[in-house]
Amino acid sequence: QVQLQESGPGLVKPSETLSLTCTVSGYSISSGYYWGWIRQPPGKGLEWIGSIYHSGTTYYNPSLKSRVTISVDTSKNQFSLNLSSVTAADTAVYYCARDRGGSGSYWDEWGKGTTVTVSS
Amino acid sequence: DIQMTQSPSSLSASVGDRVTITCRASQSISNYLNWYQQKTGKAPKLLICAASSLQNGVPSRFSGSGSGTDFTLTISSLQPEDFATYYCQQSSSTPYTFGQGTKLEIK
Repeated sequence: QVQLQESGPGLVKPSETLSLTCTVSGYSISSGYYWGWIRQPPGKGLEWIGSIYHSGTTYYNPSLKSRVTISVDTSKNQFSLNLSSVTAADTAVYYCARDRGGSGSYWDEWGKGTTVTVSS
Repeated sequence: DIQMTQSPSSLSASVGDRVTITCRASQSISNYLNWYQQKTGKAPKLLICAASSLQNGVPSRFSGSGSGTDFTLTISSLQPEDFATYYCQQSSSTPYTFGQGTKLEIK
């Protein structure tokens, strides 16, 4: 049974970098699939941030691309999100998920989500 | 970016009702359309991929149809556990985008 768990600070100051890690259990990231990040501002809808393949190939939402870095550590079975120069608009619940990748992609396994608040 | 528009934004219905939610894409996305259910405080759950393919373990009262730009999610007989927010999502091209959601409430 695949499980994903997000971890990281719940409070980040404006202009700083938001850093989150997703730990995967029950499945080896090296076995395949893409792995992605999706966020949801309070009371709002879902926004795809970006995804990474186990080889390190990434693709990002252009609206965030200049501030986003997603990386993978197959030895720890983890992948991570860095979002720089955050503002209050980046306050959201951040989810990690398994991404089937490519056209026809969908997210079939999700973490529970972690709330990140941007505030001084 | 491909814009996804759901209707209605909210819906009140009773247990046992048949409910249909519509999702329209701003351009053709073939059948690259997925549906998710999200309950309050929980992560989204994948219900249907590729417009009509039911995920393992999802009750058969859920069904999806459509291709091109117009898609529907139908719940044939609402159960108490179905009251939630539903999102469509296109995966035809990046950036992958979601509809704004349809909140299904108990009448």
